[in-house]
Amino acid sequence: QKEVEQDPGPLSVPEGAIVSLNCTYSNSAFQYFMWYRQYSRKGPELLMYTYSSGNKEDGRFTAQVDKSSKYISLFIRDSQPSDSATYLCAMSESGGSNYKLTFGKGTLLTVNP
Amino acid sequence: DAGVTQSPTHLIKTRGQQVTLRCSPKSGHDTVSWYQQALGQGPQFIFQYYEEEERQRGNFPDRFSGHQYPNYSSELNVNALLLGDSALYLCASSWRPGRLDYGYTFGSGTRLTVV
Repeated sequence: QKEVEQDPGPLSVPEGAIVSLNCTYSNSAFQYFMWYRQYSRKGPELLMYTYSSGNKEDGRFTAQVDKSSKYISLFIRDSQPSDSATYLCAMSESGGSNYKLTFGKGTLLTVNP
Repeated sequence: DAGVTQSPTHLIKTRGQQVTLRCSPKSGHDTVSWYQQALGQGPQFIFQYYEEEERQRGNFPDRFSGHQYPNYSSELNVNALLLGDSALYLCASSWRPGRLDYGYTFGSGTRLTVV
C-alpha cells in the first residue's frame, strides 16, 4: 500500500462547478498537509497548508483534514478555466529529522468554459 | 524577487553518462530539496541539503549525489544514467529544514531525457 493515494482522474467539469479533490494516507505520523497546483511544464506551487486536523479557507479554496479517517480534501468553488491544472496533495511528518514531502500522484483537472 | 532558478531547462543524455543539475534557491531560503517526478507521477524525494550537509535522503541509489555551496545553491549529480532516470527533476527551497509553515518554493524543473 502506498503511503499516499490520490485518484489521478482526469476530472473534467464545467466553469462555475464545485470541485472536490481527495487523498487518503496510511502513515499516522503525518502532521502537515498541503495542496499544490502544477501547471503543465511548471513546478508545483503551494495552494493550501494545514497543520493537523481541521478546515482552512482561502478565497475559493477550502482544505479539510480528517486525521481520524486519514483523509484530506480540497474544494474549489466557482471553478474557472484558469484552475485547469494537476493538483497534488502532499504530507509530511516534519518531526525529528524527517522533513520530506510525500506526494500523491496528482489529479488532472480541466475546467471547461 | 526571483524564485527558485534551475538550469538547464532541458537535457538529453545517453545511458551510462553523468549529469549535473543546478539550483539557486529563493532569496532568504537556506535549505534545498531535490525531487524526481516521473511522467504521470507525483514528485519523489531524493534528498535535502542544509548548512552544506545532506540532512535527509529518500530511497534513491548512491548514483544520485548532491552538494550545497556556501551561497545555498545546490547541485544534483547522477552517475551511470539509466533509461529510468528520465524525469522532471525539481528543486525546492525553504527556510530551515522543518519550517513547513514557511512553505517550500519549487522551481520549474529540469527535464532529463536518457536515450
